[in-house]
Amino acid sequence: QQQVKQSPQSLIVQKGGISIINCAYENTAFDYFPWYQQFPGKGPALLIAIRPDVSEKKEGRFTISFNKSAKQFSLHIMDSQPGDSATYFCAAGAGGGYQKVTFGTGTKLQVIP
Amino acid sequence: DADVTQTPRNRITKTGKRIMLECSQTKGHDRMYWYRQDPGLGLRLIYYSFDVKDINKGEISDGYSVSRQAQAKFSLSLESAIPNQTALYFCATSDFRGSYNEQFFGPGTRLTVL
Repeated sequence: QQQVKQSPQSLIVQKGGISIINCAYENTAFDYFPWYQQFPGKGPALLIAIRPDVSEKKEGRFTISFNKSAKQFSLHIMDSQPGDSATYFCAAGAGGGYQKVTFGTGTKLQVIP
Repeated sequence: DADVTQTPRNRITKTGKRIMLECSQTKGHDRMYWYRQDPGLGLRLIYYSFDVKDINKGEISDGYSVSRQAQAKFSLSLESAIPNQTALYFCATSDFRGSYNEQFFGPGTRLTVL
């Protein structure tokens, strides 16, 4: 049973374009939604995270949009650059102290010049 | 720099062999995790530990065991490796005091079971 569904599996975007990755969850107990970025040969690293009390969080070119009623959240990468080429994982966590998270299946993003 | 290290980085073994993957961290974090990554399946939690005396199964613990030898060390064992355990394995740590329970991942171990 996959608790966090992520799409698309892969994405090709032109340099300067907007990359959009979508995730949906089922468990209403989730109360913490991070995104991780993974470069080839490396472990994932936290990129940006949001709590459900806000609908949007922006950090530089990266924005999380959150729709609590639809149980969906998305990552938008504005002005995408070749250096953004990586695999992106959405995730969701629950419980006091955010003890562990459930990851989506990942999106491989390629930004072409 | 405080870090999460994994050994070995690559390992090829045969079906039926016992394998141990090791993880060490110098971050001083209390929480440690083992994940496996497979194409199209993302990261799946195998085991996690919130302190030396606390070990918990994740979503795919069958065929695996772990040992938390110290706060800084968390090992994953495959008692009798099978080909479908071929995957990329990651260790991660987190600190309960972190605002988002951010997990810090090691560089991964690529395991191939023939």
